[in-house]
Amino acid sequence: AQSVAQPEDQVNVAEGNPLTVKCTYSVSGNPYLFWYVQYPNRGLQFLLKYITGDNLVKGSYGFEAEFNKSQTSFHLKKPSALVSDSALYFCAVFSGSARQLTFGSGTQLTVLP
Amino acid sequence: KAGVTQTPRYLIKTRGQQVTLSCSPISGHRSVSWYQQTPGQGLQFLFEYFSETQRNKGNFPGRFSGRQFSNSRSEMNVSTLELGDSALYLCASSHSGQGFQETQYFGPGTRLLVL
Repeated sequence: AQSVAQPEDQVNVAEGNPLTVKCTYSVSGNPYLFWYVQYPNRGLQFLLKYITGDNLVKGSYGFEAEFNKSQTSFHLKKPSALVSDSALYFCAVFSGSARQLTFGSGTQLTVLP
Repeated sequence: KAGVTQTPRYLIKTRGQQVTLSCSPISGHRSVSWYQQTPGQGLQFLFEYFSETQRNKGNFPGRFSGRQFSNSRSEMNVSTLELGDSALYLCASSHSGQGFQETQYFGPGTRLLVL
């Protein structure tokens, strides 16, 4: 069975500083990884995904994620954080056999002005 | 293209009642998945429908059911509501759900409160 871990419930960063939201995964076979963001009282918005190819994936709103197979990690990054980036971030892995997304527990990102 | 829409957005029910939630996928998408989001359990997969057939089901009791119509719109039903069913119910659609590379796009959710 696949699983995703987001070790930090809360990440605080100052506006303009780089941010990292951590994600590690466990899956048999090739990993298909996703990041979503959720703003208060809203659904999940897709940010980016890793299927195959380059380990650095670029996504929406200036976010990128680095896939590291040896460390089974897929950390979300942004070079310069904005206050408007404050939200709940979810990492997820897709299981082809189960045809479902398995989500991490989420990380609340707060960008301080 | 219009996004995934869900109705109603908010719902208050009492224990023992039943509820039906509706989801309209993105035009052209044929796969619809449902998820339950709670503070304690996080995001959990309920079931997935494609071409009016349930293809996959998560680990939820039989009180949770769903269906899909020929236009790909989907409904989920929860019978005999319990307090623990209070949650945000999210619907997601994708083109076919067959490929691992497909992205699931989520609706805004229906927030259900059971009193």
